[in-house]
Amino acid sequence: DQQVKQNSPSLSVQEGRISILNCDYTNSMFDYFLWYKKYPAEGPTFLISISSIKDKNEDGRFTVFLNKSAKHLSLHIVPSQPGDSAVYFCAASPWGGSEKLVFGKGTKLTVNP
Amino acid sequence: DTAVSQTPKYLVTQMGNDKSIKCEQNLGHDTMYWYKQDSKKFLKIMFSYNNKELIINETVPNRFSPKSPDKAHLNLHINSLELGDSAVYFCASSRDRGRNEKLFFGSGTQLSVL
Repeated sequence: DQQVKQNSPSLSVQEGRISILNCDYTNSMFDYFLWYKKYPAEGPTFLISISSIKDKNEDGRFTVFLNKSAKHLSLHIVPSQPGDSAVYFCAASPWGGSEKLVFGKGTKLTVNP
Repeated sequence: DTAVSQTPKYLVTQMGNDKSIKCEQNLGHDTMYWYKQDSKKFLKIMFSYNNKELIINETVPNRFSPKSPDKAHLNLHINSLELGDSAVYFCASSRDRGRNEKLFFGSGTQLSVL
């Protein structure tokens, strides 16, 4: 039962353009969301997060948007750079401890020079 | 200086063997985890320890046994390895159990059971 879905396994964009990675969730108890980035042969690293009391959070080139009614969040990267090429995992958490975090299966982003 | 380090990076072994994966964090974190990334690429939590005490043990076979000798270490021992255990295992840590805490991951151990 996939509670966090990243329906696009891969995405390819040109350098300088916007990358939009999407994530849908099914559990209405989720109210905290995170994005992690993973390079090959490395572990995931935290990128950005958002609480359900907000609908947008921005950190430099990265912005996460949350649409609670649609149970949908997206990560925007503007402008995209070749170094952004990685797998991006969406994760969601209900109220409670960090052990309740649920990950999606990731979207592989390729930014072409 | 690696924050979360796990060894070995690659582990190839025969069915039925027993193996261990070690994990150490030098971040002073209270909480450590083991995650499994299977062939379908989902990252699923297996165990969570907070201050050396088991917080969660997802439905994993009891062939998997975590051991936390101290707050900085969480090792994973696997008995009687099966083909289905082949996966990438990630150790992680966080400052505490708060759900808004960032997880810091090790680089993973790719386990192949032949």
